[in-house]
Amino acid sequence: DTAVSQTPKYLVTQMGNDKSIKCEQNLGHDTMYWYKQDSKKFLKIMFSYNNKELIINETVPNRFSPKSPDKAHLNLHINSLELGDSAVYFCASSQEFGRDDGYTFGSGTRLTVV
Amino acid sequence: SQQGEEDPQALSIQEGENATMNCSYKTSINNLQWYRQNSGRGLVHLILIRSNEREKHSGRLRVTLDTSKKSSSLLITASRAADTASYFCATDGSSNTGKLIFGQGTTLQVKP
Repeated sequence: DTAVSQTPKYLVTQMGNDKSIKCEQNLGHDTMYWYKQDSKKFLKIMFSYNNKELIINETVPNRFSPKSPDKAHLNLHINSLELGDSAVYFCASSQEFGRDDGYTFGSGTRLTVV
Repeated sequence: SQQGEEDPQALSIQEGENATMNCSYKTSINNLQWYRQNSGRGLVHLILIRSNEREKHSGRLRVTLDTSKKSSSLLITASRAADTASYFCATDGSSNTGKLIFGQGTTLQVKP
């Protein structure tokens, strides 16, 4: 059973479109995150939610809107997609900060905007 | 600015050799973690070392932490072709938000 699952795995879309990426974790973790990995493999946090409450909102354009209907789900909706949004988006979850088991990451969603 | 920097950016070794990767960071931390990323896959947590620890082992992995130098190293002993991946260090920047700040990673190639 996949611990953190993201859908879709690949997403190719045109500029200006709106798209969503879904994430679900079955680990019972309280905190979920979205990270963006650019073409140089640099990973940067975008958002985090703890028990459905927004904790971290980095300097991300407001075209990106996370939604957490419950603590097992954190979805990412992107409006008016731009070429620069092309990247791999990773969902992750963790129980408590500083635990030895760290974060659990999903396998990523490769978004290509054409 | 980016918290972590890793050195080297790329490393190529023969199977059976040891691989050492270094990570430097800029602010105080509660802990530092290492992750592995195979090509086209998500990150896998390898090991976490706390700021009051100096060395930690897990199987063929050995991690050291020097908070005075704000640096850490990851040693993989007796490397295998399956160890080929990118390795990232990540720190929490002493925040309690769970935010991880990643280095740019070291790409390791282990030749059979």
